[in-house]
Amino acid sequence: DQQVKQNSPSLSVQEGRISILNCDYTNSMFDYFLWYKKYPAEGPTFLISISSIKDKNEDGRFTVFLNKSAKHLSLHIVPSQPGDSAVYFCAAGVISGGYNKLIFGAGTRLAVHP
Amino acid sequence: KAGVTQTPRYLIKTRGQQVTLSCSPISGHRSVSWYQQTPGQGLQFLFEYFSETQRNKGNFPGRFSGRQFSNSRSEMNVSTLELGDSALYLCASSWKPTGGTEAFFGQGTRLTVV
Repeated sequence: DQQVKQNSPSLSVQEGRISILNCDYTNSMFDYFLWYKKYPAEGPTFLISISSIKDKNEDGRFTVFLNKSAKHLSLHIVPSQPGDSAVYFCAAGVISGGYNKLIFGAGTRLAVHP
Repeated sequence: KAGVTQTPRYLIKTRGQQVTLSCSPISGHRSVSWYQQTPGQGLQFLFEYFSETQRNKGNFPGRFSGRQFSNSRSEMNVSTLELGDSALYLCASSWKPTGGTEAFFGQGTRLTVV
C-alpha cells in the first residue's frame, strides 16, 4: 500500500520554463512533507519542506504547494536550470511519539534541457 | 562538519550469504534511519533507531535487522541474501528527537546479490 505516490516517473522541461512535480498521498495523518533531490551516485539531499498547517512554502526558485483536501502537493521550480536535472522524491512524515518516520514516493526524474 | 558516512560503498555477495552495512551519522545526530532504494520503488523505509533503540520498523522480513551503538553509529544486517535484495541501501541521520525535521542522507551502499 503506497501511501505516497509520484505518478509521473519522468518529466522533461526546457531551460527557463517552470517544472511542476506532483505528489499524492493517502494518509491524512501526515504532519509534514518534504522534497528531496537525488543525483546519481549520491544520497538524496533535502530541498524544501512544508508543514500540514500551511499551504505554501517558498525558497528561492523552489515553491511547494499543499492541498490538504485533495491530499496533493506539488513542487514548482522556476526558472528551471540544467543543474536541476535529478530525481526528485516526495516524502511525508508523521510525528509519532516524537520520532521520525518518513515515507517516500517512487521519485520523478526531471530532465531540464537547453 | 562531516556528513553521513556509509561503508562500504559497493558490495557483491552471493545468495544465502549475510551482509553487514555500516552508517556513521553526523556528529550530534542521535536518530538513524535506513532505507532501501530499488528502481521504480523509491525509498522504502526499513527501520529507525534512536538512542540505541529501534523506534520504527517498515514492512521488511526478519532477515533485515539492525542496531545502534552508544556513539549513534548504526549497522544493518541482512541474512540469507536473496537476489531481490540487490539495491542501494541508504542511511539518514537527524538530530532532533521530534519529527518534522529533515534527514541527512549518506551516499549509500550499493549491494549486488549474485
